[in-house]
Amino acid sequence: SQQGEEDPQALSIQEGENATMNCSYKTSINNLQWYRQNSGRGLVHLILIRSNEREKHSGRLRVTLDTSKKSSSLLITASRAADTASYFCATDARSGANSKLTFGKGITLSVRP
Amino acid sequence: EAQVTQNPRYLITVTGKKLTVTCSQNMNHEYMSWYRQDPGLGLRQIYYSMNVEVTDKGDVPEGYKVSRKEKRNFPLILESPSPNQTSLYFCASSLTQLYQETQYFGPGTRLLVL
Repeated sequence: SQQGEEDPQALSIQEGENATMNCSYKTSINNLQWYRQNSGRGLVHLILIRSNEREKHSGRLRVTLDTSKKSSSLLITASRAADTASYFCATDARSGANSKLTFGKGITLSVRP
Repeated sequence: EAQVTQNPRYLITVTGKKLTVTCSQNMNHEYMSWYRQDPGLGLRQIYYSMNVEVTDKGDVPEGYKVSRKEKRNFPLILESPSPNQTSLYFCASSLTQLYQETQYFGPGTRLLVL
């Protein structure tokens, strides 16, 4: 079942602008991850934020997590044409001894040169 | 180079003709899984394996089989493919299931079932 729901479904911005993507989820999580997928290729891990963290940075990426609202946001600053891709949030929710990673449907980001 | 490989990358087949998609990782990961990706549905997990000889169903296991005889390999088997299994398939691995820090994805296998 789908847990993470990204918003918006598609985003088009000009190079140099910031891109903000949101993810909402339904159940308690251990961590939340963001992945990028270039057209037709495998997903690439971008960043992980744990349930006890509120904000994390990696280069031009900034991720926030609000567990009270069950939501996360991914900010890409100073976007580049090469950032054009689909972005997925994935939630890691523990069930007993197992943990399960569930992906959302993704956000299509287009960065215009 | 750490990687997950899949073969074939593209496959066209006909209904009912058994096929196998191979997946191999060179990172000594315990956890491996298969996903299918369909437009508007995102990634859905088909099967996963926590270690050698330990496999379990994901969210959409119907019509698929897997095996995990060796740690590095996790083939996906379609005994009798049907057109609704036309999809983009990804194999992924991570160090362990309990600490899913990062999943490493293969390049994908695009399957068309006629």
